[in-house]
Amino acid sequence: EVQLVESGGGLVQPGRSLRLSCAASGFTFDDYAMHWVRQAPGKGLEWVSGISWNSGSIGYADSVKGRFTISRDNAKNSLYLQMNSLRAEDTALYYCAKARYFDWPRSLFDYWGQGTLVTVSS
Amino acid sequence: DIQMTQSPSSLSASVGDRVTITCQASQDISNYLNWYQQKPGKAPKLLIYDASNLETGVPSRFSGSGSGTDFTFTISSLQPEDIATYYCQQYDNLPPTFGQGTKLEIK
Repeated sequence: EVQLVESGGGLVQPGRSLRLSCAASGFTFDDYAMHWVRQAPGKGLEWVSGISWNSGSIGYADSVKGRFTISRDNAKNSLYLQMNSLRAEDTALYYCAKARYFDWPRSLFDYWGQGTLVTVSS
Repeated sequence: DIQMTQSPSSLSASVGDRVTITCQASQDISNYLNWYQQKPGKAPKLLIYDASNLETGVPSRFSGSGSGTDFTFTISSLQPEDIATYYCQQYDNLPPTFGQGTKLEIK
């Protein structure tokens, strides 16, 4: 059974940093691209970032480019999102999502974690 | 970015009804269109991929059709457990983008 468990969310002041983690199990992690998708409270879904199976290709939404960094450790079956210079508008539930394919641009999300909540407020 | 426009934004229907949601892309996306179901307090779940392919384990009352810019998602006979918000998502162009969602309620 595929499981994705996010952690690392919390309350943080504007301008500060936070690192999210996603622990994956139940599938061969290094065969697939992985993504972060967020959902602001009461709002819709917004893709944040994606990374290919071997970290060779990475993409970001314009809204986070230059502030967020996605990475993965295939030996640890883990996905990460380093979030710097956080803003109030980054407040959201952050989901880790598995892609169906190995390359990140083909962003068909077939499994999702339960999310970790990030609140940016002073 | 490609804009995905879902209609309606909300919908109230009775158990057993046929329910249809539409999704229009701002440009041709071929069949690179997925549908997700999000129940309250839960993560999204993939139902339909590549416009018309039913994900394994998803009940056959769910279906999808369309190509190019116009797509349709249908529940043939609404069940109480189908209460959720439904999202379309394109992945033909980067970045991947979602529709604004359709909230489905029981009448």
